[in-house]
Amino acid sequence: SYVLTQPPSVSVAPGQTARVTCGGINIGSKSVHWYQKKPGQAPVGVVYEDSDRPSGIPERFSGSNSGNTATLTISRVEAGDEADYYCQVWDIRGDYVVFGGGTKLTVL
Amino acid sequence: QVQLVQSGAEVKTPGASVKVSCKASGYTFTTYDINWVRQATGQGLEWMGWMSPNNGNAGYAQKFQGRVAMTRNTSVSTAYMELSGLRSDDAAVYYCARGLPAASGSWFDSWGQGTLVTVSS
Repeated sequence: SYVLTQPPSVSVAPGQTARVTCGGINIGSKSVHWYQKKPGQAPVGVVYEDSDRPSGIPERFSGSNSGNTATLTISRVEAGDEADYYCQVWDIRGDYVVFGGGTKLTVL
Repeated sequence: QVQLVQSGAEVKTPGASVKVSCKASGYTFTTYDINWVRQATGQGLEWMGWMSPNNGNAGYAQKFQGRVAMTRNTSVSTAYMELSGLRSDDAAVYYCARGLPAASGSWFDSWGQGTLVTVSS
């Protein structure tokens, strides 16, 4: 089965840029979606189709995808961005959804 | 606006079944698939499967095949997820999520509030 690999944690100071990576074999050929998950709340999509933003998501959130790595970039990080972030793809061959293991973003 | 409202928390004994509902509003229920995702305490998101409200077709993650059933009642715009043979490691928060088509597969733009399922003897 297809595997997505994320770093367990990323730390960044307020106002700086955070980058969360999602590794997978030839992930650049797939559509990657990103979700923000805060404790006690449902996940929220922050980037879909590699680099599109749902309505209501700040422009500070952006995404890219090439080769074997997709990246979620959060610019000008704020305290409220502290959360777990998950990448997701659909494995066409097996017709199933794969989530990465999640990355805890800590705002210092 | 799109809303998915799930049923309340459940406490079940090992071996029992649980059925969680997800009532959709704010859009045409039969247009988009409903997916189910769970999260155990301290763990990541785990996809369980999808169901088409249009025709009732469903696809399940291999891990849950034979133990899960995803159904719907279009007259009340509600999707259901039933998990049988509950074990302690099935204790989790269960979410329904609407799937929007993507270049490949779909992504989840709207989520229910989650239903806590506790499994305890």
